[in-house]
Amino acid sequence: KQEVTQIPAALSVPEGENLVLNCSFTDSAIYNLQWFRQDPGKGLTSLLLIQSSQREQTSGRLNASLDKSSGRSTLYIAASQPGDSATYLCAVRGATNKLIFGTGTLLAVQP
Amino acid sequence: DADVTQTPRNRITKTGKRIMLECSQTKGHDRMYWYRQDPGLGLQLIYYSFDVKDINKGEISDGYSVSRQAQAKFSLSLESAIPNQTALYFCATIEAQGADYEQYFGPGTRLTVT
Repeated sequence: KQEVTQIPAALSVPEGENLVLNCSFTDSAIYNLQWFRQDPGKGLTSLLLIQSSQREQTSGRLNASLDKSSGRSTLYIAASQPGDSATYLCAVRGATNKLIFGTGTLLAVQP
Repeated sequence: DADVTQTPRNRITKTGKRIMLECSQTKGHDRMYWYRQDPGLGLQLIYYSFDVKDINKGEISDGYSVSRQAQAKFSLSLESAIPNQTALYFCATIEAQGADYEQYFGPGTRLTVT
């Protein structure tokens, strides 16, 4: 059974810092991995989607990497801003075509 | 307009009541999903549908039922609501064809069962 873990559960950084969020998964047989952002009480916004054949994807200040063989993905946020404060979720899609979610990392960027 | 909409956005109901949460999408996707989110537990899959005639149970389907009225509409029902069904509920869609398989989420329905 696929399990997705995100570490740390919470992170607080001062504005301007670069930071890395981690996601690990137990079954490397995945189709893709998706990173989402969730603001308090709100829905999920897709940030980046990495196919299993890809190593990384970039969007603005965000860069996501995927190492399928080791079951790991990272989300790198450059020059963090208070507006980046949110919960970040990773999810993997496997052979069953279901998304399995991690429990998220709550990020607080202090001005 | 949002691609995936959910109604209601917030609902408070009493134990034992029947309640329906509705989801509509304008993306033309075949596949639709219902998730619930509880603090510290992430999102868990309740039901999913690959087309109007194909409905499947997810990890936590007990106490829930669904109806796929059309390609664009997927409803979740709680036949007799109980307090531990208090949660944030999300509907999502995915395109059946194509390489991306990116999932799109609605804004969520916050349900409180007293």
